[in-house]
Amino acid sequence: NAGVTQTPKFQVLKTGQSMTLQCAQDMNHNSMYWYRQDPGMGLRLIYYSASEGTTDKGEVPNGYNVSRLNKREFSLRLESAAPSQTSVYFCATSPGTYNVLTFGAGSRLTVL
Amino acid sequence: RKEVEQDPGPFNVPEGATVAFNCTYSNSASQSFFWYRQDCRKEPKLLMSVYSSGNEDGRFTAQLNRASQYISLLIRDSKLSDSATYLCVVNGELTFGGGTRLMVKP
Repeated sequence: NAGVTQTPKFQVLKTGQSMTLQCAQDMNHNSMYWYRQDPGMGLRLIYYSASEGTTDKGEVPNGYNVSRLNKREFSLRLESAAPSQTSVYFCATSPGTYNVLTFGAGSRLTVL
Repeated sequence: RKEVEQDPGPFNVPEGATVAFNCTYSNSASQSFFWYRQDCRKEPKLLMSVYSSGNEDGRFTAQLNRASQYISLLIRDSKLSDSATYLCVVNGELTFGGGTRLMVKP
């Protein structure tokens, strides 16, 4: 089925460890996004890629890096995880700017 | 002031009730508006887009008031299955409200 696939679904890290969240889409969408969602809060944009080859910071980029590997894949890297990065991370895609978003199932990250 | 604000609720309503949520936004140049639904521990899913003239989809009606800078979602004849968090989104993918939690009781 067409959609957005995130890996891993769950991850526990120790403070200072690094990891990469992977996102792949087969919807042929141009734009891809990484959000985080903390308990009782809405989604906050971390980084986005309007098209292949471009990336831009969102509302909360500190502590993260991204790579738009190709049109299908957009990864989010935590270089040195901190407890404040404990959250649920969602990848999303859209055909272009101001379009409807399609989300992945989420990745639940705990940093101890 | 946040760019997009919603009453977090929860709104507790009986089955069959009509309930309405508002979402205010600060950027008067905003161009696109959406309502998403999010079930517990799941990803958000599009409920409906919001058009300038207002639009309806079954029991759901969405409206935009540009003068007062808010969008609204009206749910008629509430069902148990409507229990969820409703997120408004302004300017497509960039700005989410904090969500309004709806709980429909038997």
